[in-house]
Amino acid sequence: NAGVMQNPRHLVRRRGQEARLRCSPMKGHSHVYWYRQLPEEGLKFMVYLQKENIIDESGMPKERFSAEFPKEGPSILRIQQVVRGDSAAYFCASSERTSGNTIYFGEGSWLTVV
Amino acid sequence: DQQVKQNSPSLSVQEGRISILNCDYTNSMFDYFLWYKKYPAEGPTFLISISSIKDKNEDGRFTVFLNKSAKHLSLHIVPSQPGDSAVYFCAASARGNTPLVFGKGTRLSVIA
Repeated sequence: NAGVMQNPRHLVRRRGQEARLRCSPMKGHSHVYWYRQLPEEGLKFMVYLQKENIIDESGMPKERFSAEFPKEGPSILRIQQVVRGDSAAYFCASSERTSGNTIYFGEGSWLTVV
Repeated sequence: DQQVKQNSPSLSVQEGRISILNCDYTNSMFDYFLWYKKYPAEGPTFLISISSIKDKNEDGRFTVFLNKSAKHLSLHIVPSQPGDSAVYFCAASARGNTPLVFGKGTRLSVIA
């Protein structure tokens, strides 16, 4: 009964490079959420996806960030041309359904941009 | 525009006493509320939840109280243990395809 799996746990990128963060939801969960936690801040919603669909991306920065959840394989959060301000912990969560349901988080991916 | 507010960034409590963590919300459409606990360098762990049709939910040492008229909820931990030291996040969601909205968290320190 694996939980939400995220990889890599730690990622270091130079400014201008691309970062790809992967998330496999819990078994039986078809809803995936990405949250970001900046230092000394709370959890900020980024994007909510179901298989092959982006349901809500209201929290995603307009440029350089994208997310997908393909029919097969993990959800991927992609950050192009990273800048120092992208350094944060990125958490993925999954749930069976939305509305009135608990979401379960992975261990997080810590991105450091140098 | 913070819809979920945790106004106390930190709280210190002696072991064995009660810890009370507070949370306020502004969106009257919220109907489901949760508390998560987070240790450093780990993901948030679900602790307890409450639906808006209830005003109390209890699970072992943890009890969540909801006051809808005041748009306020609280988490009570009794008795507090050193292992409870962590950051606690309050979260809320509304009906429909809406994601959880989190507060900024309260760091609880339980002193032995």
